[in-house]
Amino acid sequence: DAKTTQPTSMDCAEGRAANLPCNHSTISGNEYVYWYRQIHSQGPQYIIHGLKNNETNEMASLIITEDRKSSTLILPHATLRDTAVYYCIVRRHFGNEKLTFGTGTRLTIIP
Amino acid sequence: GAGVSQSPSNKVTEKGKDVELRCDPISGHTALYWYRQSLGQGLEFLIYFQGNSAPDKSGLPSDRFSAERTGGSVSTLTIQRTQQEDSAVYLCASSLASSSNTGELFFGEGSRLTVL
Repeated sequence: DAKTTQPTSMDCAEGRAANLPCNHSTISGNEYVYWYRQIHSQGPQYIIHGLKNNETNEMASLIITEDRKSSTLILPHATLRDTAVYYCIVRRHFGNEKLTFGTGTRLTIIP
Repeated sequence: GAGVSQSPSNKVTEKGKDVELRCDPISGHTALYWYRQSLGQGLEFLIYFQGNSAPDKSGLPSDRFSAERTGGSVSTLTIQRTQQEDSAVYLCASSLASSSNTGELFFGEGSRLTVL
């Protein structure tokens, strides 16, 4: 799996949009961008994934640059419950290989 | 149940003892992963099972660690002669690795192991 780079930590005010960046400059053509988050003391939770088009679901939006070397996860109206570590991962869509998590971004939502 | 189930949720053991941690994946999921997470750290990959293929054991930290998956379903992670540095939360995840779904991993709540 390609390597990703994320900021160690970020703060965001409650009610504002949280924008979490991820660099994946070595991503290959058949690799997708996945985002997971881990709320304290829980197992990681899938958020969203995409290949090259922007994606949106009930939790978040994913913006992938045209060259696919970076992406941004957007939480449109952050709440205190969004405080978590957010992991950006690149992998083949249904790849038969291990999934490697980096250190992620610790997002803190400020009241 | 509908989710990944792990047991025990908490295990306290003495240094040198063997422990077994169990994972019941979501029914029908062909892929199963074990990770561990030490306090304040990220997820460390341990082992990956996919169908009938040979497991990817590249993340196991030493030969004291082993895992098996019986009948393509339940998996057991065994740690022999536990050491204090084995203390961590051990997380199991499963997924349906096929072209017709998201490839999403579903995680259990983990087994917290404390080695005294």
